[in-house]
Amino acid sequence: DTGVSQNPRHKITKRGQNVTFRCDPISEHNRLYWYRQTLGQGPEFLTYFQNEAQLEKSRLLSDRFSAERPKGSFSTLEIQRTEQGDSAMYLCASSLDRADTQYFGPGTRLTVL
Amino acid sequence: AQSVTQLGSHVSVSEGALVLLRCNYSSSVPPYLFWYVQYPNQGLQLLLKYTSAATLVKGINGFEAEFKKSETSFHLTKPSAHMSDAAEYFCAVSYNFNKFYFGSGTKLNVKP
Repeated sequence: DTGVSQNPRHKITKRGQNVTFRCDPISEHNRLYWYRQTLGQGPEFLTYFQNEAQLEKSRLLSDRFSAERPKGSFSTLEIQRTEQGDSAMYLCASSLDRADTQYFGPGTRLTVL
Repeated sequence: AQSVTQLGSHVSVSEGALVLLRCNYSSSVPPYLFWYVQYPNQGLQLLLKYTSAATLVKGINGFEAEFKKSETSFHLTKPSAHMSDAAEYFCAVSYNFNKFYFGSGTKLNVKP
């Protein structure tokens, strides 16, 4: 069990570019969550997958954000036409089942110039 | 709208003193409640959770929290602070385990 991994760990991009982040959950974990965390704030829920199905999506998530979890394994989070306000730490977490512990990855820090 | 309030963005205690970190939620339906800790340059780690069993919940590293429905609170305590407890602590709530709401965090400083 190597824990939740996220790649890349850091991403610097120019405004208007598209970026994609990857999350590899703990093996056999059915649930996968994406969060965004800005400086001085707690994690903000973005979306949730049960296996390959995206079952919850925050209303705060604009159309520029999309997430996938093909085959219920790893997940990707894509941000199109990045804006400076998208600069944040993007966190991924996974859990085995409904009431089980969420395990967080180290995050991907995005800086939009 | 559901929300979580953590009173005090920074708390400072002396080593060996009581740690009390406050968390209140605002909803008429009692949620599931969680405390997470984030050490510098590390990911969030679950300390403890309340899922409608015993109202006093014991977690790792000597921390515990008590769910008080009448006060809509879930404060985190530890009888004696240790230098290694210095970290940022987040309270979180969920109503269905599909979506989680986090507070803004409390940074705990432990003075020698």
